[in-house]
Amino acid sequence: GAVVSQHPSWVICKSGTSVKIECRSLDFQATTMFWYRQFPKQSLMLMATSNEGSKATYEQGVEKDKFLINHASLTLSTLTVTSAHPEDSSFYICSGGTSGIREQFFGPGTRLTVL
Amino acid sequence: GDSVTQMEGPVTLSEEAFLTINCTYTATGYPSLFWYVQYPGEGLQLLLKATKADDKGSNKGFEATYRKETTSFHLEKGSVQVSDSAVYFCALSGAGGAQKLVFGQGTRLTINP
Repeated sequence: GAVVSQHPSWVICKSGTSVKIECRSLDFQATTMFWYRQFPKQSLMLMATSNEGSKATYEQGVEKDKFLINHASLTLSTLTVTSAHPEDSSFYICSGGTSGIREQFFGPGTRLTVL
Repeated sequence: GDSVTQMEGPVTLSEEAFLTINCTYTATGYPSLFWYVQYPGEGLQLLLKATKADDKGSNKGFEATYRKETTSFHLEKGSVQVSDSAVYFCALSGAGGAQKLVFGQGTRLTINP
């Protein structure tokens, strides 16, 4: 149980375009979803936390107008990278959590390459 | 604020060697502690966890004991295999609800046959 999927698993886009990444909890209701960014050979950096039906809370230094997060249902959250540039190339990982449980369930990640 | 410090890598061992990856933490209250493993090109998988002092988490031959007195959660395995090659992350979660995780910097482990 507690499976999280991400789509797409990898994407290549041109500079200036927008890219949407979906994160779905397949067998549980994720009241909270988290979005992370991971650079090569580095740890995960939390970008934002979103609760279903509420605006996301962004970590310091993360541009909320560039990284749009929507958590419209208990099973789906999306991250849209707007006007992507090569420096946005990274591995993006989402996770879902449920109230009362101190554990997050991670998706497999999406590798974004911006040309 | 809460923080996690992991043993720096990379770590390279021979197959069947004993493994220890050190992890210490700083947190208020009583956090839950986790070890996650990341295989190349993949997301994170929970390896084991412990939610209170003196708990021992175990999975796939790996073990870690929640030591409050030393604020540690060291990962151990008695005999590693080539398939254990991956990056290992120690993490903590604060009290209450689906709190955000604080990760250590990760330790890259390579096992040679």
